[in-house]
Amino acid sequence: QVQLQESGPRLVKPSQTLSLTCAVSGVSITSGVYYWSWIRQPAGKRLEWIGRVYPSGSTNYNPSLKSRVNMSVDTTKNQFSLKLNSVTAADTGFYYCSRGDYWGQGILVTVSS
Amino acid sequence: EVVMTQSPLSLTVTLGQPASISCWSNQSLLYSDGNAYLTWFQQRPGQSPRRLIYTVSKRDSGVPDRFTGSGSTTDFTLKISRVEAEDVGVYFCMQGTHWPPTFGQGTKVEVK
Repeated sequence: QVQLQESGPRLVKPSQTLSLTCAVSGVSITSGVYYWSWIRQPAGKRLEWIGRVYPSGSTNYNPSLKSRVNMSVDTTKNQFSLKLNSVTAADTGFYYCSRGDYWGQGILVTVSS
Repeated sequence: EVVMTQSPLSLTVTLGQPASISCWSNQSLLYSDGNAYLTWFQQRPGQSPRRLIYTVSKRDSGVPDRFTGSGSTTDFTLKISRVEAEDVGVYFCMQGTHWPPTFGQGTKVEVK
């Protein structure tokens, strides 16, 4: 069964970089024609698609976040990662990794000093 | 970006009765391949979103057949034929035709 698990610091200081990793199990990250995505849900707001990364390393980012986002994939560890720099309180929320049909359980990241 | 609007934002349904959620986009979701990439998710309390329906009407594996998706172009609907207690949660529509994918505000479904 396909499973995704987010991990990373749950507290990040303003202006610093939010770094998360999504470990994939039950399927190879290079199998099929899938891309791997990060999606977030700020408290009280609608879900927001951050971006996606293909097994090749090719990426597409939401234009609203493009200047601050970097995603990468590590096929040897079967995982992919998100980096969001220059964070502010507005970046606080649940962060999910997803294949589209499968989602991780989510991780709550708080931006605060 | 494409704006997705859902209605109602909150819905209380009697057990065993039907429920319907509407979702509109401000642009056509018809892609050049003839498909409309409209997806419905269910988010139960304390859980991550679960995909129910994709490409307007295709049901995911394990999703009860009481869930039905329909619609075209800009107007879409999720129907639950007979609501069960386990259907409590928030339902989101999402368009994947235009980049970036965008979500509706969510519809909170409660069961009485």
